[in-house]
Amino acid sequence: DAKTTQPPSMDCAEGRAANLPCNHSTISGNEYVYWYRQIHSQGPQYIIHGLKNNETNEMASLIITEDRKSSTLILPHATLRDTAVYYCIVRAPNFGNEKLTFGTGTRLTIIP
Amino acid sequence: NAGVTQTPKFQVLKTGQSMTLQCAQDMNHEYMSWYRQDPGMGLRLIHYSVGAGITDQGEVPNGYNVSRSTTEDFPLRLLSAAPSQTSVYFCASRQTSGRETQYFGPGTRLLVL
Repeated sequence: DAKTTQPPSMDCAEGRAANLPCNHSTISGNEYVYWYRQIHSQGPQYIIHGLKNNETNEMASLIITEDRKSSTLILPHATLRDTAVYYCIVRAPNFGNEKLTFGTGTRLTIIP
Repeated sequence: NAGVTQTPKFQVLKTGQSMTLQCAQDMNHEYMSWYRQDPGMGLRLIHYSVGAGITDQGEVPNGYNVSRSTTEDFPLRLLSAAPSQTSVYFCASRQTSGRETQYFGPGTRLLVL
C-alpha cells in the first residue's frame, strides 16, 4: 500500500470549512484513497473514499488531484464535534490481505 | 444492529496473566481485525480473519492468538501478558465485495502491571 503524508495538526474556526491535505505521491492506479477519523477515546469512523473522481457524502467532500498524488478532505461547516484525528489511507481492494495501515494522522481542532 | 461490540471496556492484568478480549459483530461481515493503539501512535494491525476458520498475522502479532469459529465472533487472546501490551485494543469488521469500509468497536483499554 502507498505511503501517505499528513500534517500533524491543524486548527479551524467553527462554522468554517476545514481542508485537510494528504500527500500520496506513490499511489498506484488501482489504489483508493480512504479517510477515517477518530474522536477522542472512540473507535475510528469511516468518512469517505474515492479512486479518481471527487466524492461527496453527508459528512464530507473528497477532492483528488488529476495526477492522484494528493487529496483534500473538506468538512464544509466544521463544528466542535469534528475535533478528532483524521487518517488518510491509500489501499487497493485486496481480498484476503487485511493489512490496512493507519499512520499518525492529522489532529484537527475546531476553535469556537 | 449493535454493530461491533467489545468486552471488557477496561481491564487490569498482572504480568504473566492470560486473558481473552471479546469481539462480536452482527452485520454478517466476513472480515474481522484486531488493532492496538499506543499513545501518540496510529493503529497497528495485530491479527485478522477473512472468514470463519481462517486467520492471519498482521503487523504486530507476537504475544497474541486469535481464532474464528463463527462469523460473528473474533476473540483475541493474550497468552502471558507483558507491560508492553498495555494499550487500547480495537476490533473491526467489514464486508467483502470490494467495500473497504471498516466498522470499529468502542475499544478495550488494557493495563498490564
